[in-house]
Amino acid sequence: NAGVTQTPKFQVLKTGQSMTLQCAQDMNHEYMSWYRQDPGMGLRLIHYSVGAGITDQGEVPNGYNVSRSTTEDFPLRLLSAAPSQTSVYFCASGRTEAFFGQGTRLTVV
Amino acid sequence: RKEVEQDPGPFNVPEGATVAFNCTYSNSASQSFFWYRQDCRKEPKLLMSVYSSGNEDGRFTAQLNRASQYISLLIRDSKLSDSATYLCVVRRGATLGRLYFGRGTQLTVWP
Repeated sequence: NAGVTQTPKFQVLKTGQSMTLQCAQDMNHEYMSWYRQDPGMGLRLIHYSVGAGITDQGEVPNGYNVSRSTTEDFPLRLLSAAPSQTSVYFCASGRTEAFFGQGTRLTVV
Repeated sequence: RKEVEQDPGPFNVPEGATVAFNCTYSNSASQSFFWYRQDCRKEPKLLMSVYSSGNEDGRFTAQLNRASQYISLLIRDSKLSDSATYLCVVRRGATLGRLYFGRGTQLTVWP
């Protein structure tokens, strides 16, 4: 039972580098989303998708891009990493409830 | 005003105690309500959905008051394993659509 799989689990980037956080789900969910979680801030929505080819912005989209070419995959791209993007990133999918991946702990130095 | 407000705690209770968490939401059109549990450095996991008539799952009872836009979670007979952060979650639609998370209430149960 894979559920939602995120890779990598940990990553350290230098300021200005780019990278892609991967997210895959095997539950055939239409809805997928990316959150970041910072101490004292709770979970904040970055981007979400209601199906292949359809994406939209959440409350903190700046500095991030997404695409949804298949139902299964929803990668999150950091275009030019900044220290302010140091956070824990969670991918989630679901119909009526959200199933979360294990998270990616990203540090930007 | 935030979509979902929770008392952050922390709540520190002995084993066997009863503890209640409260949550308010700002959008009266919200239709779906949940409590999630998040252990330290782990992903959030669904604890229970909250239904209009209230619902119970073992030691956990959830209540919804639409008129006051208020959600509660009651934990009876607390166990050490209940120590976690509890997230109140609201969605405007019945299905799909974005979820709004509270910042979470931290619970520590001590022996």
